[in-house]
Amino acid sequence: DTGVSQDPRHKITKRGQNVTFRCDPISEHNRLYWYRQTLGQGPEFLTYFQNEAQLEKSRLLSDRFSAERPKGSFSTLEIQRTEQGDSAMYLCASSLVEGAYEQYFGPGTRLTVT
Amino acid sequence: DAKTTQPTSMDCAEGRAANLPCNHSTISGNEYVYWYRQIHSQGPQYIIHGLKNNETNEMASLIITEDRKSSTLILPHATLRDTAVYYCIVRVVHAGGTSYGKLTFGQGTILTVHP
Repeated sequence: DTGVSQDPRHKITKRGQNVTFRCDPISEHNRLYWYRQTLGQGPEFLTYFQNEAQLEKSRLLSDRFSAERPKGSFSTLEIQRTEQGDSAMYLCASSLVEGAYEQYFGPGTRLTVT
Repeated sequence: DAKTTQPTSMDCAEGRAANLPCNHSTISGNEYVYWYRQIHSQGPQYIIHGLKNNETNEMASLIITEDRKSSTLILPHATLRDTAVYYCIVRVVHAGGTSYGKLTFGQGTILTVHP
């Protein structure tokens, strides 16, 4: 299967620790997106890349959050000094630039901050 | 992106058609209508999209009214596996030489398919 993959699927961390998540997009997709989803809510956009360039960042992406896509392939999302409010599902999606940009989502990384 | 309004929840009997409505009365001419669904504990799944014309694929049909202010997603023969949250999203894809990326999700409609 060549869908979007995310690692890890689950992460439990203590408040104040740093965490890093990885996303591998569909291989020919040049756009990669990060979303966050809390319980009972729809996903909220965080940021997206076109190849290596980070084109848009949400105001939700505080200074403690940083995302990279250094070679235009996989991406990492790091959260520094985690807080309990960071507990959520972190979703990655990818798409082509051409056409209507259907986004294909990965299974997500569920973060629990204790 | 235009705001959408969907019912909070709907029920459907297995084997029957599920018709999920979406209001987007402030949609502008260059905004597409997209539908995604999210099965419990999974990432959202793209279903279908359209601009003006009705669309059909292997998963569903999308009916957009002539004034484009509302649309209906139709699952022709619902199964238990179609139980999910269904999101209707409208967004610009291209405008003024710029292409847009993000999806803005609302609360969606919880569709429950009963045996």
